[in-house]
Amino acid sequence: TQLLEQSPQFLSIQEGENLTVYCNSSSVFSSLQWYRQEPGEGPVLLVTVVTGGEVKKLKRLTFQFGDARKDSSLHITAAQTGDTGLYLCAGEGGNKLVFGAGTILRVKS
Amino acid sequence: DTAVSQTPKYLVTQMGNDKSIKCEQNLGHDTMYWYKQDSKKFLKIMFSYNNKELIINETVPNRFSPKSPDKAHLNLHINSLELGDSAVYFCASSQVGQGISYEQYFGPGTRLTVT
Repeated sequence: TQLLEQSPQFLSIQEGENLTVYCNSSSVFSSLQWYRQEPGEGPVLLVTVVTGGEVKKLKRLTFQFGDARKDSSLHITAAQTGDTGLYLCAGEGGNKLVFGAGTILRVKS
Repeated sequence: DTAVSQTPKYLVTQMGNDKSIKCEQNLGHDTMYWYKQDSKKFLKIMFSYNNKELIINETVPNRFSPKSPDKAHLNLHINSLELGDSAVYFCASSQVGQGISYEQYFGPGTRLTVT
């Protein structure tokens, strides 16, 4: 069974601070996706990383896929209150996605 | 334009009842899914259908029966509802193919509360 461990589970920071969320597994994934979910809504895809070592940037968000394609990180620079939400990583394997348990991010003004 | 829509948004019902949730996608995707998100926000796949054919059934009780009348619709019927069925159910769709990642487009969710 493929499992994804996400850490931390909860993060509360001040506006302007930087943060990193980690997603780790002992399994290799074909790709890894990051989603953001706001209260009362469905998850929305932020990015997909496919190649080992790949780095993708989305404004203040930087996503990295581990060289062995078993882990990934999401780094947010100068967090804003609008970044508040649930961040989910999901690994693709066996014709389905396996989701991590999520990181609840709260950015305070 | 709503890409993936679900009805109803909220569903409150008593134990033992039977209920259905409907899902429609207008993205032209060939694969649709049902996920369950528990109170701890853990998202777990239940079923997936590709062109109306069941592909994944993740050890979900027989009380849950998905139905896909066409590739744009995937409904979920639940018999004899139990307290433990209370959760948020998400429908999603994706386009599956060679070299294409399983990027999911989620609906807004249906919050099911069983009392």
